Amino acid sequence: EDQVTQSPEALRLQEGESSSLNCSYTVSGLRGLFWYRQDPGKGPEFLFTLYSAGEEKEKERLKATLTKKESFLHITAPKPEDSATYLCAASLHQAGTALIFGKGTTLSVSS
Amino acid sequence: DVKVTQSSRYLVKRTGEKVFLECVQDMDHENMFWYRQDPGLGLRLIYFSYDVKMKEKGDIPEGYSVSREKKERFSLILESASTNQTSMYLCASRAQGATYGYTFGSGTRLTVV
Repeated sequence: EDQVTQSPEALRLQEGESSSLNCSYTVSGLRGLFWYRQDPGKGPEFLFTLYSAGEEKEKERLKATLTKKESFLHITAPKPEDSATYLCAASLHQAGTALIFGKGTTLSVSS
Repeated sequence: DVKVTQSSRYLVKRTGEKVFLECVQDMDHENMFWYRQDPGLGLRLIYFSYDVKMKEKGDIPEGYSVSREKKERFSLILESASTNQTSMYLCASRAQGATYGYTFGSGTRLTVV
């Protein structure tokens, strides 16, 4: 069964304390791996797409990486405004399939 | 930028009512999706549509139906609302064959009392 698993479920950091969020996937042919940010009461907002192992994408304090089994979202020197739920999702090569989402990691950054 | 608009941010309905959730996108996307999101369960796919008048069941279609009469509009229908359908409902769209992810709407928080 195609599956995406995120860990940890929740993460509390102090401002400036760098860390990583994990997204492991077991799917039958990965076409792309997506990261989204979701603020409370709002829809997910697109962050990154990764297509092949070894690929990296960066945006401000966030960097996403991809291996053949998992993806990491690295947060460097986080600020309170980085607090949100981060979702990852896998797109398959198989036509006619929707994105498969993980359950998300809720990040809280305190000052 | 693609805009996906959900007609209501908050909705309160009574058990047994027929409920319509509307979603409109403005970028001529072929694919549209309806998810519900619940704490601890993540996003679960209800229905999706590849094009006008086409629909496919997702993981949890029971108690729901959909309508796609025009390309830009995808409606989710709760035939007879029940309290276990209280949830955040998210609509998304994507161009056919696109390699990028979805664009989501802001969500509709539905409470069934």
